[in-house]
Amino acid sequence: DTGVSQDPRHKITKRGQNVTFRCDPISEHNHLYWYRQTLGQGPEFLTYFQNEAQLEKSRLLSDRFSAERPKGSFSTLEIQRTEQGDSAMYLCASSPRGLGGNQPQHFGDGTRLSIL
Amino acid sequence: QKEVEQDPGPLSVPEGAIVSLNCTYSNSAFQYFMWYRQYSRKGPELLMYTYSSGNKEDGRFTAQVDKSSKYISLFIRDSQPSDSATYLCAMGAAGNKLTFGGGTRVLVKP
Repeated sequence: DTGVSQDPRHKITKRGQNVTFRCDPISEHNHLYWYRQTLGQGPEFLTYFQNEAQLEKSRLLSDRFSAERPKGSFSTLEIQRTEQGDSAMYLCASSPRGLGGNQPQHFGDGTRLSIL
Repeated sequence: QKEVEQDPGPLSVPEGAIVSLNCTYSNSAFQYFMWYRQYSRKGPELLMYTYSSGNKEDGRFTAQVDKSSKYISLFIRDSQPSDSATYLCAMGAAGNKLTFGGGTRVLVKP
């Protein structure tokens, strides 16, 4: 399967700890996105990369959150000093380069974060 | 008011019936529209993608977009128990982020 891959699938941690998630996009997709989804809600946009450049960040992305995409391949999302409210599913999506702009985004199965 | 409104359901239908889903939106800048299906503990799976008003058909799925009314629909014909899932509408403007509805839970009963 060559879809979007996310690791780990589930992370349980204590409040105040730091966590890092990894996303491997579909090969040759240069656009990469992070979203957050809480129970019973639709995904909410967090941040967007085109190749290695982080071009857009949501105000949901507080200073405890940081995302990187070195070399324009995989991406990591780190949350420092986790809080109860950070418990959610963190989804990664990718899309190919498109003529005239936007192409459909393909999602991974997410990392479920549980804060104790 | 949310930018994208979607009835949360649940919507329960008998096997073989037509499932009708819809979303309304307020941002006239939205240019392209998608429908995703999401099973429990899985990521959203792309079903339909369109960027113009009118109908688009793919197998048992038909997507409709009415930009003048800011209203989109998804129809699923000959529904199967395997269609039981949450259906998410999503929309994008000139930028790259998607704005999602809250999702509609669908249950197809055998």
